[in-house]
Amino acid sequence: NAGVTQTPKFRVLKTGQSMTLLCAQDMNHEYMYWYRQDPGMGLRLIHYSVGEGTTAKGEVPDGYNVSRLKKQNFLLGLESAAPSQTSVYFCASSRGRRYEKLFFGSGTQLSVL
Amino acid sequence: AQSVTQLDSQVPVFEEAPVELRCNYSSSVSVYLFWYVQYPNQGLQLLLKYLSGSTLVKSINGFEAEFNKSQTSFHLRKPSVHISDTAEYFCAVNLRDDKIIFGKGTRLHILP
Repeated sequence: NAGVTQTPKFRVLKTGQSMTLLCAQDMNHEYMYWYRQDPGMGLRLIHYSVGEGTTAKGEVPDGYNVSRLKKQNFLLGLESAAPSQTSVYFCASSRGRRYEKLFFGSGTQLSVL
Repeated sequence: AQSVTQLDSQVPVFEEAPVELRCNYSSSVSVYLFWYVQYPNQGLQLLLKYLSGSTLVKSINGFEAEFNKSQTSFHLRKPSVHISDTAEYFCAVNLRDDKIIFGKGTRLHILP
């Protein structure tokens, strides 16, 4: 089983460029999350979705947009990339109950120059 | 504000020695608590979780964590660590609005 797949795995952007990170899960999970991981900061929640067509802000949503048009996909967009958005981005999904564990993708390393 | 605090950013410990990784949370409502582990160059995976009932929960690889409501803590322990336990450990809390908030992580360094 593929589980949670993130594309791309690596990307280098110039300041001001835009891009979209794709997260796809094949487990029919209801909930999906986007986190960023920075040294010494742990994982910080950017946006999340509790079902198809829904999105909500997390801890650090500024500069990012998301869409959940299909249940299996959760897209994270950067409209105008900034060096402060250099990070490792992780997508995760769960069945949707508060006690359910998260399944993580392998991450996307993004560098903004 | 509800948050998760991991008191140690790094913990060095000799192989076969015991270890405790500390986690405190702040919440005025009931929460579900988790420990995740991240091995080098990998994503996170669940180590153990507390939902309700017995306050001591255990993982299959010898870790255990104890929920202490009065101290709002969920510390992770292992009586004897192995070199393969080298990883970063994250405490997390699932809040009522479905946000899952992580602590800043604790790097466990196993010394030979």
